[in-house]
Amino acid sequence: NAGVTQTPKFRILKIGQSMTLQCAQDMNHNYMYWYRQDPGMGLKLIYYSVGAGITDKGEVPNGYNVSRSTTEDFPLRLELAAPSQTSVYFCASSKPQGSEAFFGQGTRLTVV
Amino acid sequence: QKEVEQNSGPLSVPEGAIASLNCTYSDRGSQSFFWYRQYSGKSPELIMFIYSNGDKEDGRFTAQLNKASQYVSLLIRDSQPSDSATYLCAVQDSGTYKYIFGTGTRLKVLA
Repeated sequence: NAGVTQTPKFRILKIGQSMTLQCAQDMNHNYMYWYRQDPGMGLKLIYYSVGAGITDKGEVPNGYNVSRSTTEDFPLRLELAAPSQTSVYFCASSKPQGSEAFFGQGTRLTVV
Repeated sequence: QKEVEQNSGPLSVPEGAIASLNCTYSDRGSQSFFWYRQYSGKSPELIMFIYSNGDKEDGRFTAQLNKASQYVSLLIRDSQPSDSATYLCAVQDSGTYKYIFGTGTRLKVLA
């Protein structure tokens, strides 16, 4: 009963490096989301997707890119990492309107 | 910009008391409202959801919704130290189905 799986759990990046945060769900959910959470703060939406091939920006998309080639996977790409991208990243998925969002266990990213 | 607002706390209550957590939202068209609990270093987990005006009870938890006042609350009865966590209010956007989160209220239950 995997639910939403994120990898890696922890990562340290140097300024200017790039990486991809992986997210996979096995619940056949159409909707998937990427949030970031800074210390003591709520969740801010980076990107979301309503189905394979369809993505849209959230509140804080700058510095990130996403793709959704399958229903199951929704990777988040960081290009040219900056210290401001130090955060905890959560992937989530849901069925449409009125359903709860299920969260992965998070990726703690530090950019130094 | 659609917003969800919560008092960041901390809200401190003694063990066995009722904890009352509040949330207001700006999108009058919102239909779905959620309360998540987040322990430090963990991911959010759903406590309750509510769609209709009024109260919804589940064990020690009661969610209250007032759409006219754009107000959602969560009551925790017989609070336990294990309830100490951050409680996130989330509202699902009426047009895009995105979840908009408040900043969370940190609850401390004192033994």
